[in-house]
Amino acid sequence: DTGVSQNPRHKITKRGQNVTFRCDPISEHNRLYWYRQTLGQGPEFLTYFQNEAQLEKSRLLSDRFSAERPKGSFSTLEIQRTEQGDSAMYLCASSPSQGFKGQTGELFFGEGSRLTVL
Amino acid sequence: RKEVEQDPGPFNVPEGATVAFNCTYSNSASQSFFWYRQDCRKEPKLLMSVYSSGNEDGRFTAQLNRASQYISLLIRDSKLSDSATYLCVVNGGTNAGKSTFGDGTTLTVKP
Repeated sequence: DTGVSQNPRHKITKRGQNVTFRCDPISEHNRLYWYRQTLGQGPEFLTYFQNEAQLEKSRLLSDRFSAERPKGSFSTLEIQRTEQGDSAMYLCASSPSQGFKGQTGELFFGEGSRLTVL
Repeated sequence: RKEVEQDPGPFNVPEGATVAFNCTYSNSASQSFFWYRQDCRKEPKLLMSVYSSGNEDGRFTAQLNRASQYISLLIRDSKLSDSATYLCVVNGGTNAGKSTFGDGTTLTVKP
């Protein structure tokens, strides 16, 4: 399967614990995005990378959230001191950068990592 | 005010009906526009891009009005399999890499 892969698919944790999610993008895509989605809402932008550079981070994101993409391939999203309000689906997507031949601006999403904070 | 606003619905229509979804966006510098489809408990997937000239893909027609900052999606001859949430997505302007999603419009097609 050459799509976007996310792990773990489900995570249940107690409030105050740290959690980390991993995303492996489509191999030839140099842009990687993290979104968060709660029931009845659309995906909410968190951050995105072009290669290893984090180009934008949502102002809505607290300091408890950090994302990395150290070698420009896979990415991790860490949430420290989780709160019940962090319960959501965390979606990763990848895309070719603008100007890539044939690219349409389409985002290719993984199946998501569902976080439940008790 | 949200950057991308959609009528949440739900829209409940019989098979064969024509249904239209509307979307407005606030950033006049936005460059690219899309409709995504999201099935229950699944990830969003691109349905179609939206161009100023309008574009059609089978039973689906998308329109963009830049002056009014308005995007539409028309579905003709609805099928049961069209039941899903339709997300309006806007990209570009000063944040060319960031795609902003609306909260979606839910469609249920009934026999």
